[in-house]
Parts: sequence; C-alpha cells; structure tokens
Amino acid sequence: GENVEQHPSTLSVQEGDSAVIKCTYSDSASNYFPWYKQELGKGPQLIIDIRSNVGEKKDQRIAVTLNKTAKHFSLHITETQPEDSAVYFCAATNSGYSTLTFGKGTMLLVSP
Amino acid sequence: GAGVSQSPSNKVTEKGKDVELRCDPISGHTALYWYRQSLGQGLEFLIYFQGNSAPDKSGLPSDRFSAERTGGSVSTLTIQRTQQEDSAVYLCASSLWGGANTGELFFGEGSRLTVL
Repeated sequence: GENVEQHPSTLSVQEGDSAVIKCTYSDSASNYFPWYKQELGKGPQLIIDIRSNVGEKKDQRIAVTLNKTAKHFSLHITETQPEDSAVYFCAATNSGYSTLTFGKGTMLLVSP
Repeated sequence: GAGVSQSPSNKVTEKGKDVELRCDPISGHTALYWYRQSLGQGLEFLIYFQGNSAPDKSGLPSDRFSAERTGGSVSTLTIQRTQQEDSAVYLCASSLWGGANTGELFFGEGSRLTVL
C-alpha cells in the first residue's frame, strides 16, 4: 500500500521566517496530494492541495510543490505568523483512490 | 452547526468493555471515513463508506472493530472487548463525493477514547 514519509517532525521558526515541510510517497499511481492543518483539540482542516498534473500551486502565503519523478512534495509557508502554529499533515491517495494515507505530521511552532 | 459532529467527545472505559462512537456527517455528503489518531502516529485509516456500503475496510485493525452506516448518513464505529492499545482519538470525516481524490475531507473534532 501507499507509504507517506514526512519531515521534520517538529519545526521551530521565528515570526516572519519561512517554513518548509517535506513529504515523500511510494505509490506512483497517487494523483492527489492535500495538506491539512490541525489546531489543538480540533479536527484537521484542508489548507491547500495539488494534483499530479500540476507542479506548483500558491495561495497567498502558502505554496505546495510536487515532483512526480522523485515522488516528493513540499509545503512552503512564507512570512510565518504565530497563528500558523499547529500540526501539519501531508497526504496522498492510495492506488484505488478510495482513501488518503497521511504522514505522521509536523508540529510547527512560530515564536513572536 | 453544519459541520461533522462526533459523540461522545471523550470516553473512558475499562479494558474488556464495548464502546460505540457516533459520527453525524455533513448533510448530503455521500462519503464517510473513520481515522484513528494515536500520539505521534499521524492519522491511520480505518474504513471508508460510500453511501451505506464500505468498499474499503482494510484499515480495521482486528475483528473487534466494526462500523456501519445507515440511511447514507450517521455512522457508528464499535470496538468490542476494548484493549489499552485502542486508546486514541477517533476522527470521522465526510466528503461530498466518493473517492479521496475528489475533494476536501471535512473532519469532526474526534472522540477521545481512553481504555484503563
């Protein structure tokens, strides 16, 4: 089945700095790669996604890049703010496209 | 509200007891998913419903775990003879269409299960 590896497990940055979280996946048939943000005590919430026919997608301060050849994708957050502090999960579809396999998460801490 | 609702939010039980966790998805959403979140383990897929049927239940860890969905809406996850390793947050999510690549999954806030 699909295996998704996510790094780093924790990331501390100063407010205003950029943050990058990286993921790799194993199933070359995967075609959809979302990122979810989970705040304490809440369920994960979609923040951005990318499909396999696109190499990069931006939405204000966040962007995602995808390298299908290398089977890795990354989340980039620029001008970080304290409210960006949360756990971020990457995910990829399984080969049957019925489910998402999630990475183990990255705890991002943004210090004022 | 109009989001995914899960109950109970917290459940403490004794080893060996059965528990039921309920999920009420967003109205009109055809797909429903159960995930389990253990400390440091990310989100582990359990089962996927399309309507009332479960085309993928490959993530259920043992035959002590079962789930059903009725009327294309509410779902119940049942854990029989609970064990301490079942302690986790159980998350439910729904989406408008079936297939995980068709769009956003909307998650509930989860049911935290503690088995003593």
